[in-house]
Amino acid sequence: GAGVSQTPSNKVTEKGKYVELRCDPISGHTALYWYRQSLGQGPEFLIYFQGTGAADDSGLPNDRFFAVRPEGSVSTLKIQRTERGDSAVYLCASSSYRYTEAFFGQGTRLTVV
Amino acid sequence: GESVGLHLPTLSVQEGDNSIINCAYSNSASDYFIWYKQESGKGPQFIIDIRSNMDKRQGQRVTVLLNKTVKHLSLQIAATQPGDSAVYFCAENNGDDKIIFGKGTRLHILP
Repeated sequence: GAGVSQTPSNKVTEKGKYVELRCDPISGHTALYWYRQSLGQGPEFLIYFQGTGAADDSGLPNDRFFAVRPEGSVSTLKIQRTERGDSAVYLCASSSYRYTEAFFGQGTRLTVV
Repeated sequence: GESVGLHLPTLSVQEGDNSIINCAYSNSASDYFIWYKQESGKGPQFIIDIRSNMDKRQGQRVTVLLNKTVKHLSLQIAATQPGDSAVYFCAENNGDDKIIFGKGTRLHILP
């Protein structure tokens, strides 16, 4: 596609439920990032993939959060037993290689009620 | 704490004037810096980047300055326009390919 695509754009879920957020990066981009952004804050790093492997997952807040990228393209961020504090905009970005800008998607707004 | 931060949370500038947005970073290992613009309801949009082997880089109406001695980065926007209203983030690649963002500065354009 022309840009990074994230689905859904909005997700409302009940506390305790499981959610999956999808990211389709720009074709050919090997690097993929997930960020979480709360209102009035900068994007907070969660995890970074280089190809299929998670090169750095140090930003995942706890073991309820997990992300995969099985074929080195589409990535899914998975959140188990959601809590109200998980409510935020989840941003995905991709880049072609190091020292190039990361292109962001529009984000998925997750609301846990 | 965060390794990238900004001096001012909000900056108001008269339309047509130049804007200067500042950023401090603390990780001396960072070797790549990026400025992003984020409009309401959208993802961050790349503006300009600079590598640590440079101290200045110019784009269309924008200039980024890097002072590695004091770990300071700035974004200059020439002839600020209403469409420049947004939140601006500086971000750094900390040497581990992890891009870290600061809190952001909201740029408000006065008519």
